[in-house]
Amino acid sequence: AQSVSQHNHHVILSEAASLELGCNYSYGGTVNLFWYVQYPGQHLQLLLKYFSGDPLVKGIKGFEAEFIKSKFSFNLRKPSVQWSDTAEYFCACTSGTYKYIFGTGTRLKVLA
Amino acid sequence: EAEVAQSPRYKITEKSQAVAFWCDPISGHATLYWYRQILGQGPELLVQFQDESVVDDSQLPKDRFSAERLKGVDSTLKIQPAELGDSAMYLCASSSQRRTGELFFGEGSRLTVL
Repeated sequence: AQSVSQHNHHVILSEAASLELGCNYSYGGTVNLFWYVQYPGQHLQLLLKYFSGDPLVKGIKGFEAEFIKSKFSFNLRKPSVQWSDTAEYFCACTSGTYKYIFGTGTRLKVLA
Repeated sequence: EAEVAQSPRYKITEKSQAVAFWCDPISGHATLYWYRQILGQGPELLVQFQDESVVDDSQLPKDRFSAERLKGVDSTLKIQPAELGDSAMYLCASSSQRRTGELFFGEGSRLTVL
């Protein structure tokens, strides 16, 4: 069955530190991969997505993610985090049926 | 900017009572999802609609949960009877499958069962 796992449940960083959040999926077929973000008090919104082509995708607010097919991974990165990046981050995966599966989320706290 | 509308935002009920949540997706979005999100966890897919048809309801507890999207537009999720373990945020999302595959979420309906 299709599943998504996120390794880090809570991450605390100081401003300007680099960020990498892990995401692994288990599905052998063609997948589309996403990162969503939920800022405090707001609804989930798309950060970036990968469908095909260049495995390094760039999203909003300086975030990027790299799709590594051999590792079934889609890790999220940001070179220098800001206090405003404090949020919960969810990795998601869809297959051909557009069944959307989410990971358990990573709660990021950035200290000013 | 078009949004997914959900109501009610908050619902407090006693166990064994019936509850219903409503969702109006972005106009033209054929795909509609209901998710349940328990505090500290990721959204768990309950049911997926393509127009008025159920595409996936494998995770929907069908003994107490039901969902419908009769005209392929708005949707209702019902729980009867509610149990303590149903306390969670119920999220509705919609997508235009022909385009980006991005999900657009509503604000959610927070259910507390006493």
